[in-house]
Amino acid sequence: NAGVTQTPKFQVLKTGQSMTLQCAQDMNHEYMSWYRQDPGMGLRLIHYSVGAGITDQGEVPNGYNVSRSTTEDFPLRLLSAAPSQTSVYFCASRPQGKNTEAFFGQGTRLTVV
Amino acid sequence: GDSVTQMEGPVTLSEEAFLTINCTYTATGYPSLFWYVQYPGEGLQLLLKATKADDKGSNKGFEATYRKETTSFHLEKGSVQVSDSAVYFCALLNTGFQKLVFGTGTRLLVSP
Repeated sequence: NAGVTQTPKFQVLKTGQSMTLQCAQDMNHEYMSWYRQDPGMGLRLIHYSVGAGITDQGEVPNGYNVSRSTTEDFPLRLLSAAPSQTSVYFCASRPQGKNTEAFFGQGTRLTVV
Repeated sequence: GDSVTQMEGPVTLSEEAFLTINCTYTATGYPSLFWYVQYPGEGLQLLLKATKADDKGSNKGFEATYRKETTSFHLEKGSVQVSDSAVYFCALLNTGFQKLVFGTGTRLLVSP
């Protein structure tokens, strides 16, 4: 019963490098989201998707790209990493509907030097 | 836009003390409200939820009541344990049911 799987768990990047954070869920959930968690800021929504082929921007989308080619996968791409993107990133999925629970991955701790 | 405001932490309590963590929200329409908990090194997990005014969510001894008149969803527990030490997040699901908006989180530290 895997749930939401994020890889990698830890990553160090140099400024200007690009990388993709992977997120996969095996619960056939329609909705998937990416958040970043920073001290004193809580969780801020980066991008979200309401189904395959449909994505939208959240609160802090700049510097990040997403795509949703399948229901299962929702990768987050950092185009040119900056120190301000040092954070813990969480992927979440949930079924469609008003009262549904969101399931979170274990997080990716990213450091940009 | 929709937003959630939580009390600043950390909240430091002795075991068996009473816990209250305040949460207020701003939203259009009738959002659903949630409390999530994050234990060290883990992702968030749902603690409880309420979907309409005057609903009370409860789980593991924690309770919260959806108060539309005060736009609040305060978390309470009558007797905390050391194992309750974690970060607690209040959240709302907006009217379109697409975006889950979180507060800044409140760290709870319970000592024996």
